[in-house]
This record gives sequence, C-alpha cells and structure tokens, in this order.
Amino acid sequence: ILNVEQSPQSLHVQEGDSTNFTCSFPSSNFYALHWYRWETAKSPEALFVMTLNGDEKKKGRISATLNTKEGYSYLYIKGSQPEDSATYLCAFDDYKLSFGAGTTVTVRA
Amino acid sequence: ETGVTQTPRHLVMGMTNKKSLKCEQHLGHNAMYWYKQSAKKPLELMFVYSLEERVENNSVPSRFSPECPNSSHLFLHLHTLQPEDSALYLCASSQDPGPARAEAFFGQGTRLTVV
Repeated sequence: ILNVEQSPQSLHVQEGDSTNFTCSFPSSNFYALHWYRWETAKSPEALFVMTLNGDEKKKGRISATLNTKEGYSYLYIKGSQPEDSATYLCAFDDYKLSFGAGTTVTVRA
Repeated sequence: ETGVTQTPRHLVMGMTNKKSLKCEQHLGHNAMYWYKQSAKKPLELMFVYSLEERVENNSVPSRFSPECPNSSHLFLHLHTLQPEDSALYLCASSQDPGPARAEAFFGQGTRLTVV
C-alpha cells in the first residue's frame, strides 16, 4: 500500500481568499499524479493529470504544481468561491491509482 | 453526469442476503474499476478490469465477486457480507488500464449498509 498523504485534512476559507494544500507521495516509480474534486452527493471529477516534474496546470481559478523529485504536489485555489467547497483528492499513479484521504475545503460566504 | 452510472444508489442488505451492484459506462473506455470508501478512509482499489479481463484483485475477500460481461458493464456480486463491509462503493472507468495517466471517470456510488 503506497503512502499518499494530504494535508491539511480540512480547511475553512473566507470567500475571496486564496488557499493551497499539499499532496505528498513516493518519489520512486512515478508515472502520474492525479487531482480530483469531489462535491457532496456527486461523483469525483478529474481536475488534472500531471506527469512531468515541474509541471504546472491550471483550470480557471484552480492550479496545481508538481515536484516528482521530492514527492509533492500543491493545489491552489485563487479567490475562493462557495462552489469551490468540496473534498480534493490526489492519487499517485504507478499503474494503478492510490488515493490520499483528501482535503475538505469549505468556503464561507 | 460523468457518463458512468451506478445502481442502486442506496442498498441495505442483511448478512445472509445476496445482492449485486451494477455499473455502466458508454464512454468507450477499456478499463473499469471498483473502489471502496469506508468512513474516514481513502478510496481503496478493489478490482481492475481491462478489456473484460480481471487484471487486479487487491486482496479482496471472496464474499465480493466482480463480473465484467462486456467493456460497458461491471457488476459486484455481494454475499454473506459483514457489517464492516458497509461503505460507499464507487465504480470508475478510464481509457487505458495502465500505466493509467488517463483520468478516471467515476459513478456516484452505491451507499451500502449491511445489517
């Protein structure tokens, strides 16, 4: 079982503020790192699949960076909105996905 | 809607019952997966099917029996479950089984309660 850790477990953000959180993963046998957003009562939805060290990806106000040498990825939310409230999962891909426990973000209006 | 449909959404079953969970995808994907999420735990991979053949069984007890009759359908047959098997069961599909690198598309899950 691969050790994929996400921190913090949860965070509360004021609407309009920016925030970020971390996913750490093994730095060996790396193929890809996935980020998913999981809103309550919905399906997990893919945000990014990152494969290269130094990769930066962006979708709207959400962006992510990847450091495969040290085994971490950051997810950033700029100008948080209530619709950003969700659990954000990262998954280490070494042929199969090993998920972290997630960071639950609550955006307060 | 992600293109992956799971039924039923909720299921309550006794420990002596036999039931089945169904997953369907019409995305043209070649790989399908069953995941389990227990309370306060990460998603755990249970089974992987690639082109209708099982390629991964993640040490899952035999009371869980998967079936993949074609590339669009995946079942999880349940029998003599235990209360600790109560969890959210998620189905997913992706274009290729691995090394994946392709995003997975998830269903909304079946919330299973074993009484």
